[in-house]
Amino acid sequence: QLQLQESGPGLVKPSETLSLTCTVSGGSISSTSYYWAWVRQPPGEGLEWIGSIYSTGSTYYNPSLKSRVTITVDTSKKQFSLNLSSVTAADTAVYSCARQIMGDSSGHAHFDFWGQGTLVTVSS
Amino acid sequence: DIQMTQSPSTLSASVGDRVTITCRASQSISSWLAWYQQKPGKAPNLLIYKSSILESGVPSRFSGSGSGTEFSLTISSLQPDDFATYYCQQYSSYWTFGQGTKVEIK
Repeated sequence: QLQLQESGPGLVKPSETLSLTCTVSGGSISSTSYYWAWVRQPPGEGLEWIGSIYSTGSTYYNPSLKSRVTITVDTSKKQFSLNLSSVTAADTAVYSCARQIMGDSSGHAHFDFWGQGTLVTVSS
Repeated sequence: DIQMTQSPSTLSASVGDRVTITCRASQSISSWLAWYQQKPGKAPNLLIYKSSILESGVPSRFSGSGSGTEFSLTISSLQPDDFATYYCQQYSSYWTFGQGTKVEIK
């Protein structure tokens, strides 16, 4: 059974960098059928895609966050990570990692599995 | 960027009702649309992908339709477990979610 587990600090100071890691178990992180993504949800609000990474290391970022986001993958550890720099209170949210599956050879991929998420609060 | 607009934002309904949620894309996304259900404090759960394909294990009372810019999610007979928030999401160009539709008890 696939499991995705987020880990990292629950409190980050303004202007600092938010760093989270997602550990994948029960499945392959190297499969060419999947992307791996980060999504966030501010308290009481909707879902926002942050960015995705393919097993080759190719990355795709939300244009609204692109200047502050870096996503990396370590296939040997079955982990992928998120760095979000220069955070403000507006970045306070539940951050979730997720798998995106390509249903065919088109390259289009929908989310099919999510971690439970971790609340990150930006406050001094 | 492709924007996704759901309507209504909140829907009040009773058990047994037929419920329809609409999602509109700011440009054509073909059939690259998914629907998710989310309950408080829980991760989203995939219901439908490619506009109308039911994810394995999802009850058949859920159905999706549409292409281009107009899409809908229908619950044929609302059950107590269905009271939740529903999100549409396009995956034609990057990934964008709708703002969500909360289905609440009437």
